[in-house]
Amino acid sequence: NAGVTQTPKFQVLKTGQSMTLQCAQDMNHEYMSWYRQDPGMGLRLIHYSVGAGITDQGEVPNGYNVSRSTTEDFPLRLLSAAPSQTSVYFCASSPNGGLAYEQYFGPGTRLTVT
Amino acid sequence: AQTVTQSQPEMSVQEAETVTLSCTYDTSESDYYLFWYKQPPSRQMILVIRQEAYKQQNATENRFSVNFQKAAKSFSLKISDSQLGDAAMYFCASSTGTASKLTFGTGTRLQVTL
Repeated sequence: NAGVTQTPKFQVLKTGQSMTLQCAQDMNHEYMSWYRQDPGMGLRLIHYSVGAGITDQGEVPNGYNVSRSTTEDFPLRLLSAAPSQTSVYFCASSPNGGLAYEQYFGPGTRLTVT
Repeated sequence: AQTVTQSQPEMSVQEAETVTLSCTYDTSESDYYLFWYKQPPSRQMILVIRQEAYKQQNATENRFSVNFQKAAKSFSLKISDSQLGDAAMYFCASSTGTASKLTFGTGTRLQVTL
């Protein structure tokens, strides 16, 4: 089991460029989510999905799009990158949306927007 | 809305000693879980311990235990016999709602000295 994988590990973008952060899990988890981590602010939820074809917004969704066409993959799209999106991005998954379940985190992607 | 507050940005403990990290939370939900996650320099998020709100008994995992005071909405983490490998950022988080969306505190950086 590779667990939750994220690519790339590092990325530098210019303002206005677009890109997709990839996330995949091989644990057959229904629930997947994206968080961003900024200094002094902890992790904040961007978008989440409770199953293939179902997504919803989290606390900070502006500037990001998601889709979930398969159970395994949950890509995060930045349509027009802004310096405020400089952050470390984490993808996470859990067996389902039950409160008790641990979320398994990927290794993160460090994104810098200049 | 949920909030999670960690009022200690940094803590230090000597090897083999005990340290307590503080966390308070606020939620209007009756059913929720509380978690402590560890983030070492590798950036990987690792679950340390979890507590169900309905359980009065404090959770323990080897050297890690919590002091859950539901009325005071307090959820502190005690690390006994601290080891150099415990040095990390520690995040308190709460989970509530129909999907296990985590709300994180801002983190406490723990230093372990010889």
